[in-house]
Amino acid sequence: AQSVTQLDSQVPVFEEAPVELRCNYSSSVSVYLFWYVQYPNQGLQLLLKYLSGSTLVKGINGFEAEFNKSQTSFHLRKPSVHISDTAEYFCAVLRGGNTPLVFGKGTRLSVIA
Amino acid sequence: DAGVTQSPTHLIKTRGQQVTLRCSPKSGHDTVSWYQQALGQGPQFIFQYYEEEERQRGNFPDRFSGHQFPNYSSELNVNALLLGDSALYLCASSESSYNSPLHFGNGTRLTVT
Repeated sequence: AQSVTQLDSQVPVFEEAPVELRCNYSSSVSVYLFWYVQYPNQGLQLLLKYLSGSTLVKGINGFEAEFNKSQTSFHLRKPSVHISDTAEYFCAVLRGGNTPLVFGKGTRLSVIA
Repeated sequence: DAGVTQSPTHLIKTRGQQVTLRCSPKSGHDTVSWYQQALGQGPQFIFQYYEEEERQRGNFPDRFSGHQFPNYSSELNVNALLLGDSALYLCASSESSYNSPLHFGNGTRLTVT
């Protein structure tokens, strides 16, 4: 079985400060990793994905994430956040084959002016 | 190019009733997945349809059923509604490749009273 742990349920950060949202997964096989963002009253939007290749993945809106196989982590980072980044962020893992995409419980990012 | 569209956006039902939610996938996508997102939680996988067949199913009771039509659109049906079925129901479409990213609609907010 696979699971996804988002270590922080809420992260407050001041505008223009850097942020890291943590994600760890458990799986004994190779995985594909995703980060999604959900703005209020909306569906989920894909921020970035890791399928293979370079472990540093760049996404939309200035976000990036690094796949660390030894630590089974896929933390999301942004060097300078904006008020508009306030949203819920979900890490998700796909083991491949006939298995569904599994989501973490989410991290609420609140950017403070 | 329209993305994933879901209808209705909001719905209020009474315990014991039945409900049907609808989803049109993004152009070029042939696979549809349904997720339930309870308040403050990550999305939970219900099932996935491909070629008009249920390809995968999550840990949901038989009260939850679905259908996919030849034009790839899909319906989610829930019978004998319970208060605990109140949630945001998200439809996501993708290409048939198993690691193809999911594209989400804005969801249907179901309230059961």
